Amino acid sequence: DTEVTQTPKHLVMGMTNKKSLKCEQHMGHRAMYWYKQKAKKPPELMFVYSYEKLSINESVPSRFSPECPNSSLLNLHLHALQPEDSALYLCASSYRYGGSGNTIYFGEGSWLTVV
Amino acid sequence: AQKITQTQPGMFVQEKEAVTLDCTYDTSDPSYGLFWYKQPSSGEMIFLIYQGSYDQQNATEGRYSLNFQKARKSANLVISASQLGDSAMYFCAMREPSNQAGTALIFGKGTTLSVSS
Repeated sequence: DTEVTQTPKHLVMGMTNKKSLKCEQHMGHRAMYWYKQKAKKPPELMFVYSYEKLSINESVPSRFSPECPNSSLLNLHLHALQPEDSALYLCASSYRYGGSGNTIYFGEGSWLTVV
Repeated sequence: AQKITQTQPGMFVQEKEAVTLDCTYDTSDPSYGLFWYKQPSSGEMIFLIYQGSYDQQNATEGRYSLNFQKARKSANLVISASQLGDSAMYFCAMREPSNQAGTALIFGKGTTLSVSS
């Protein structure tokens, strides 16, 4: 079983809604990530947090707003999304940010549909 | 230039047979890590196996082994005794410590494995 838990598993939202995706890990990892994955494509990096500070923002539109309240939690706030934002959103964590040997562990993902 | 290349969009194998999923990579960094992940249709991305660039021996984890040929820059995944539950998408990925964006994972396009009875 994955040690990175994501909620909700499925989310349907309208284009004017505000919703959040949540992620939690209890492995003592200090780096956490959000990835976006479209069907039959590899995941694309969105954000990286290291020691609760935003380290990387891969030019993600402002309608996606990440938040890291503490070292175990990562949220992704969603507002005014477009239908093309429908995708699988994967949260992940690793012992630390950087280094070639740090394994990144993923959660089960949140399937988002924007209508 | 593509950093991770998986040339097999789809592979088909029968139960109990072994299968090799190909992966080649490109990097000028002497220190790098290679990873394989499995993604069933449920969506979860499951870590399978890791190989460090300085590791002398090929990595193994249960039925999974990584055939690491450094000079050829290949890191093929071998699954022995395939099971129906192995049907999934498999991604090869790399981390380079010196590349800021690559401190996260660089993924290949994936290979879909179908196991039949």
